[in-house]
Amino acid sequence: EPEVTQTPSHQVTQMGQEVILRCVPISNHLYFYWYRQILGQKVEFLVSFYNNEISEKSEIFDDQFSVERPDGSNFTLKIRSTKLEDSAMYFCASRRTVTSGANVLTFGAGSRLTVL
Amino acid sequence: GQNIDQPTEMTATEGAIVQINCTYQTSGFNGLFWYQQHAGEAPTFLSYNVLDGLEEKGRFSSFLSRSKGYSYLLLKELQMKDSASYLCAVRRWGDDKIIFGKGTRLHILP
Repeated sequence: EPEVTQTPSHQVTQMGQEVILRCVPISNHLYFYWYRQILGQKVEFLVSFYNNEISEKSEIFDDQFSVERPDGSNFTLKIRSTKLEDSAMYFCASRRTVTSGANVLTFGAGSRLTVL
Repeated sequence: GQNIDQPTEMTATEGAIVQINCTYQTSGFNGLFWYQQHAGEAPTFLSYNVLDGLEEKGRFSSFLSRSKGYSYLLLKELQMKDSASYLCAVRRWGDDKIIFGKGTRLHILP
């Protein structure tokens, strides 16, 4: 079964450092997402991406965050200067089309970011 | 905005049936999703409802009442592997994203 793959599975970084989390969405999917989940809290939407541009972003997704699709397969989330409160599990997700129906988001296994 | 409410935790016995409720308030409702999330893992899709009624898929069923802003997930013949968090999520017309509730942590006792 096709899956969304994420790397690294766990990253530890110092406060103020830049971090890049990588995702390979399912190959025929067109919409890409980043969500995060702080330990013990709910899964929160960060950003959606379609047709090589951000289609929607949340209040969490401030100037410290950026996303990029550098080639035909990768989708990255960059945090420019990490803060302690950025420590969370970051999930990448993708879905196929804009047509009606379930249009299910498929999630990757996540990248756990720990900021010290 | 959107508001999604679920019980924080529930406990049930192996082999039994459990119903997890979700209420929501949102404008432009365009579908409700249930996901399962084991600790430390990704959410995985269970079910989708957009019209009123019951959707059945094996041991799992999901119900929706749009007029009441209410859904439930019904799990039958509970197994120990069903111990997980169950996330209710809502989509609105014109949105790319889905918004999750806080999830219900289900504990299964032998």
